[in-house]
Amino acid sequence: SQQGEEDPQALSIQEGENATMNCSYKTSINNLQWYRQNSGRGLVHLILIRSNEREKHSGRLRVTLDTSKKSSSLLITASRAADTASYFCATASGDSSYKLIFGSGTRLLVRP
Amino acid sequence: GAVVSQHPSRVICKSGTSVKIECRSLDFQATTMFWYRQFPKQSLMLMATSNEGSKATYEQGVEKDKFLINHASLTLSTLTVTSAHPEDSSFYICSAREGTSGLYTQYFGPGTRLTVL
Repeated sequence: SQQGEEDPQALSIQEGENATMNCSYKTSINNLQWYRQNSGRGLVHLILIRSNEREKHSGRLRVTLDTSKKSSSLLITASRAADTASYFCATASGDSSYKLIFGSGTRLLVRP
Repeated sequence: GAVVSQHPSRVICKSGTSVKIECRSLDFQATTMFWYRQFPKQSLMLMATSNEGSKATYEQGVEKDKFLINHASLTLSTLTVTSAHPEDSSFYICSAREGTSGLYTQYFGPGTRLTVL
C-alpha cells in the first residue's frame, strides 16, 4: 500500500532555481526518508529525518517535517541539470520490520 | 558505502516461464531484505519482507505462490516469478537493511527490468 501523496507530481524549473517537493503521509512514523531515482535506475538515499526532528540539512538539500500535519518537504537549492530525477519520500513505522512505505513521487526536470 | 547488486539487470521471457532475480549485499550482512515492484512512472510498491532463515512476509494482495522469495544467507535473497505473464512485466527492486548499524537505512539495488512476452 502507498503511504501518501507527493506534490507536485511533476516540476520543471530552470537551472539555478530552487525546487520544493512536498510529501504527506497518513500514519504515525519513526522517521521519514527522501530518495532520488534516475530514470530506470535504483534508488539513492538522500536524507533521513526522525520524527522528533523538524529540519535537517545536507549540502543543497533541506528537509522539514511537520508531524502535526503529517507532511514533509524537500528543498533543493541552486538546482543543477544533474538533479533531474524522480524524488520519493518514504516513511518507516514503529514495527520491527522497519519497512518503508513510499509516496507517489515527484518528477523533477531541471532545464539547463 | 554499502552496495547491493541485482542480477540480471534485464530479462525477457516467454509467458509461462519462471524467472529468478538475485539480490546480493556485497559488503555487509543483510538480516532483512525487501522486494519492491515499480510500474512505469509510478512509485515503489512493497511486495514482501524477507528475513534470513525464515519465511518471507508478503504484503496484502501479493500472491506468495506467484512470487517465491528465498533468503538463504545473510548476503543473498532471491525472487522467483513463477509462470510469468505479461502483467508481471515490471521493474523489480530489492533493498537490504544492515543488521548491526544504520538501523533505518535501506540500501537499494539497481533494479531488474522484467519483460514477459
